[in-house]
Amino acid sequence: GNSVTQMEGPVTLSEEAFLTINCTYTATGYPSLFWYVQYPGEGLQLLLKATKADDKGSNKGFEATYRKETTSFHLEKGSVQVSDSAVYFCALRRALEQGAQKLVFGQGTRLTINP
Amino acid sequence: DTGVSQDPRHKITKRGQNVTFRCDPISEHNRLYWYRQTLGQGPEFLTYFQNEAQLEKSRLLSDRFSAERPKGSFSTLEIQRTEQGDSAMYLCASSLTGLDWKTQYFGPGTRLLVL
Repeated sequence: GNSVTQMEGPVTLSEEAFLTINCTYTATGYPSLFWYVQYPGEGLQLLLKATKADDKGSNKGFEATYRKETTSFHLEKGSVQVSDSAVYFCALRRALEQGAQKLVFGQGTRLTINP
Repeated sequence: DTGVSQDPRHKITKRGQNVTFRCDPISEHNRLYWYRQTLGQGPEFLTYFQNEAQLEKSRLLSDRFSAERPKGSFSTLEIQRTEQGDSAMYLCASSLTGLDWKTQYFGPGTRLLVL
């Protein structure tokens, strides 16, 4: 079946540190891949996405590259800020076919950035 | 465009009572999704509508759960005879068909606590 595995948290970093949150997936076909972020007390927000192999999604200084050969979509940021503290979810959506309209999420990684 | 809205934001109920949640999608979004998120986990897909048609339901959606989207706009999710295991955040999302059909936009969620 389709599944997403994320790096276990929580992750605690100092401001301006380099961030990597690992995400690997299992899926048939060619899924689209997403990173969503959930700030305290708020709903899920789309952070970035990639729809085919070797695509790079980027937003707010975050990047992730769709690597089909390693079935990975790791999230990176060169210099984190306190405001990046949140829970990050990796997700996949199956290629368009019968029953393909759902997102499958990882368990989430809680990130805390200390000043 | 005010985004996806959900009502209520919080609900506390006693075991055995019925509850109903409402979701208003982004206007003109013809696809609407319900997910459930338990503490420390990623969201899990419950059901999906295209316009007023309910096209897919998860096995998580027991007989006590029913969802409707009568006019293809807002949707309701009803839980009958609530159980303590129903305590969770219930998330609604919507999306378009067309160029950006792969992106689901989430509401803030309804947090349910069953005592």
